[in-house]
Amino acid sequence: QQQVKQSPQSLIVQKGGISIINCAYENTAFDYFPWYQQFPGKGPALLIAIRPDVSEKKEGRFTISFNKSAKQFSLHIMDSQPGDSATYFCAASPPGGYQKVTFGTGTKLQVIP
Amino acid sequence: SAVISQKPSRDICQRGTSLTIQCQVDSQVTMMFWYRQQPGQSLTLIATANQGSEATYESGFVIDKFPISRPNLTFSTLTVSNMSPEDSSIYLCSVGLVGNIQYFGAGTRLSVL
Repeated sequence: QQQVKQSPQSLIVQKGGISIINCAYENTAFDYFPWYQQFPGKGPALLIAIRPDVSEKKEGRFTISFNKSAKQFSLHIMDSQPGDSATYFCAASPPGGYQKVTFGTGTKLQVIP
Repeated sequence: SAVISQKPSRDICQRGTSLTIQCQVDSQVTMMFWYRQQPGQSLTLIATANQGSEATYESGFVIDKFPISRPNLTFSTLTVSNMSPEDSSIYLCSVGLVGNIQYFGAGTRLSVL
C-alpha cells in the first residue's frame, strides 16, 4: 500500500522534445506528491510538487498532471534541454506535519542534442 | 528552504571499522531523516531522527548497526558500524519541513574494502 510505481526506468529524448515520466500510487491517504531531480554526485533536489486539490501545476518548463481517480501523476518536461539530463524521482506522503516520504524507483533521463 | 552540509563527502574505509557521518542544517528543524541510496537506485529510509527522542528505525535497519544522534535542532550524525563491503553506498541526510517538504544534503559516498 505504500508503494509508488514509476516508469520508465530510463528515457532518451531529443533536445526540444517533451519528456514524460509516470507514477502510480496505491495509498489513497497520500496527499502530497513531489518530484525530485538528482544530478550525479548530488543529493535529490525538490523540483515541483502538487497536492490533490488541483489537477495540474506548472512551473516554467515543468508540469505535474494529477489524476486522483486513477491514482496516477506524471511529470512533463517541455522543450527538454541537455541540462535536464538527470535522474527524476516521484514521491508521495500522507497528510501530517512531518510524515515519511515514499519514493519511486527513479527515471534516468538523457536529453541528446 | 534549508541548506544542508554533510561531511564527509566521500570516504574509503576498511572492513570492520566505523564511520560517522555529520549533517548540519542552517536553521532549526524538527525532523531529520537518514537514507541509503545504492548507485543507480532509489532512496531507502534508514531512520527518522527527532530532536530529544530516540531515532525511529525502518524495517531492516537496527540501532546497533546505524546509531544516530540528534543533540540539537540543527545537527545529526549517523554512524555506520562494523562495516562490510555490503555497506558501500551513498548515505543522505534530509530535513523535513512543514507540509512534508524535504531537503537533502549532497550525500556521503562510502566505499568499504
